[in-house]
Amino acid sequence: AQSVAQPEDQVNVAEGNPLTVKCTYSVSGNPYLFWYVQYPNRGLQFLLKYITGDNLVKGSYGFEAEFNKSQTSFHLKKPSALVSDSALYFCAVRDRGSGGYQKVTFGTGTKLQVIP
Amino acid sequence: SAVISQKPSRDICQRGTSLTIQCQVDSQVTMMFWYRQQPGQSLTLIATANQGSEATYESGFVIDKFPISRPNLTFSTLTVSNMSPEDSSIYLCSAGGSGSGAQETQYFGPGTRLLVL
Repeated sequence: AQSVAQPEDQVNVAEGNPLTVKCTYSVSGNPYLFWYVQYPNRGLQFLLKYITGDNLVKGSYGFEAEFNKSQTSFHLKKPSALVSDSALYFCAVRDRGSGGYQKVTFGTGTKLQVIP
Repeated sequence: SAVISQKPSRDICQRGTSLTIQCQVDSQVTMMFWYRQQPGQSLTLIATANQGSEATYESGFVIDKFPISRPNLTFSTLTVSNMSPEDSSIYLCSAGGSGSGAQETQYFGPGTRLLVL
């Protein structure tokens, strides 16, 4: 079974400060990890994913995430937050398994509020 | 990446009626999914839409309530049948990439916002 946890319902950060949105996962094997963002009244937009290789993954809108296997974490980060980053962020995991397409498990979401 | 459109974007329906939501992908995809989301909350997978065969439903969801069609590799429909106010939600269509590997990214449509009175 696979699961993902986003321990913070909401994160508040001042504009211009660095931001971190936390995510931890659990899979029986090795994970594929994803981050999505959802703006109000919109669908989910893909930000970035970790497949293999470099533990630091860079994605859209200046976001990046660091895969940490020993801590089973995949925290989302950005060096300088913008007010326009305010949105709902979802972490997701898929077990690599034996190949083929398997269901993605989504976290409960973290609301990011960037304060001007 | 896949670009996904949904129709309608929103609707207000009377209880006891049914609504069919259409999902169109701009390229052929292996996998299509239907999710339900309460505003500000996480996603709940309703079913996987299988091309040429019956959809695979998650626990708590049944075909009689949520019939799904997948006639080809770019199109799917979800019907919410005999609606009640508890069905008020956002319904999201999602599609996998052109491949079938586990590393494929899922992309999402803009959602259909349904209010049942």
